[in-house]
Amino acid sequence: ETGVTQTPRHLVMGMTNKKSLKCEQHLGHNAMYWYKQSAKKPLELMFVYNFKEQTENNSVPSRFSPECPNSSHLFLHLHTLQPEDSALYLCASSQDATGPIEQYFGPGTRLTVT
Amino acid sequence: GQSLEQPSEVTAVEGAIVQINCTYQTSGFYGLSWYQQHDGGAPTFLSYNGLDGLEETGRFSSFLSRSDSYGYLLLQELQMKDSASYFCAAPMFSGGYNKLIFGAGTRLAVHP
Repeated sequence: ETGVTQTPRHLVMGMTNKKSLKCEQHLGHNAMYWYKQSAKKPLELMFVYNFKEQTENNSVPSRFSPECPNSSHLFLHLHTLQPEDSALYLCASSQDATGPIEQYFGPGTRLTVT
Repeated sequence: GQSLEQPSEVTAVEGAIVQINCTYQTSGFYGLSWYQQHDGGAPTFLSYNGLDGLEETGRFSSFLSRSDSYGYLLLQELQMKDSASYFCAAPMFSGGYNKLIFGAGTRLAVHP
């Protein structure tokens, strides 16, 4: 148990749908991250929140919209996605984004865009 | 640019020793981390080398050589449960905060 949960674990959506991914961390951390993991490619950092403030938007298309209402919860809102957006989306947390570099990951949401 | 290179696949037998290498090109480098990810699971932190040399944690050890821009993860007394993907990652301090740059991962298959 890593202390970071993600829902749903699997999601299939059409290109015109709107859906949201949810992440919750129970570790008392102050930084949260969204990553995209595609087969045989490095994990791609998408967004970083440090003390609820967005500190990184790694050139992510606007069809992905993050939301961080508090330090324990992170959402990724999805709309009008493309088939190439199919991937595993991982959430992670760390004590904060300026200190130790150990990140704790959730199990991910496997997204398929049809 | 920032990049970490590691082999895509490694195969070994139970009880053996395997070494997974990672070479990097990053600016502002100050350490190397390793993560393990089983199929369908979350990446989990294994080790961090902030200094050159060997760090040992049970059956796993990690090594860093800054002069060679190179590190490795050494797994001893391999067990079937060690079959997983292993990622090297380098923290990069940018814009006032840390972010991790990951390699593409090495898939380790352990056979009886």
